[in-house]
Amino acid sequence: DAKTTQPTSMDCAEGRAANLPCNHSTISGNEYVYWYRQIHSQGPQYIIHGLKNNETNEMASLIITEDRKSSTLILPHATLRDTAVYYCIVSTNAGGTSYGKLTFGQGTILTVHP
Amino acid sequence: DSGVTQTPKHLITATGQRVTLRCSPRSGDLSVYWYQQSLDQGLQFLIQYYNGEERAKGNILERFSAQQFPDLHSELNLSSLELGDSALYFCASSADPPSSYNEQFFGPGTRLTVL
Repeated sequence: DAKTTQPTSMDCAEGRAANLPCNHSTISGNEYVYWYRQIHSQGPQYIIHGLKNNETNEMASLIITEDRKSSTLILPHATLRDTAVYYCIVSTNAGGTSYGKLTFGQGTILTVHP
Repeated sequence: DSGVTQTPKHLITATGQRVTLRCSPRSGDLSVYWYQQSLDQGLQFLIQYYNGEERAKGNILERFSAQQFPDLHSELNLSSLELGDSALYFCASSADPPSSYNEQFFGPGTRLTVL
């Protein structure tokens, strides 16, 4: 699986958009970009994933650059409960040889301030 | 609530001992994954089972073993425990057969402390 690079930490004011970047310059054509988050030692939680196109769900938006070498997770209106470690993961679908294992990096610690 | 349950929540034991961690996946999920989270190594994939068969292995020590039973619950067995095995152990499940996207649902974890 391709390696990802994320900033160690970021701050965001409550109610503002949080934009979390991720570099994955060695991503290959069959690899998806996944975002998970972990709130204070709870189990990680899936947020969103994408291949080429931008994606949006009820939690967040995912913007993937045209060359697919980087992406940005956007939390449109951050709340205090969004304070967590955010992991950007590149992974094949379960049909690949990795059979769906997730390789977590260090992630970005997002702190949302009142 | 992800629908994945893990027992026990906390486990305190001594070096050299053996413990068993249990995981019940979401109803209908065929794949179970085990992850270890320690302070120095972060979240690491250990092993995956799909419908009772081992599918993928990560950095799992030989002292550790796992299995998935016919009712799809899984157990992770840790033996000859060392201080460095102290960690959070997460189980996750997913609905794949290997053609769908990789959304995994994580349980609350078992915190293992080896004294």
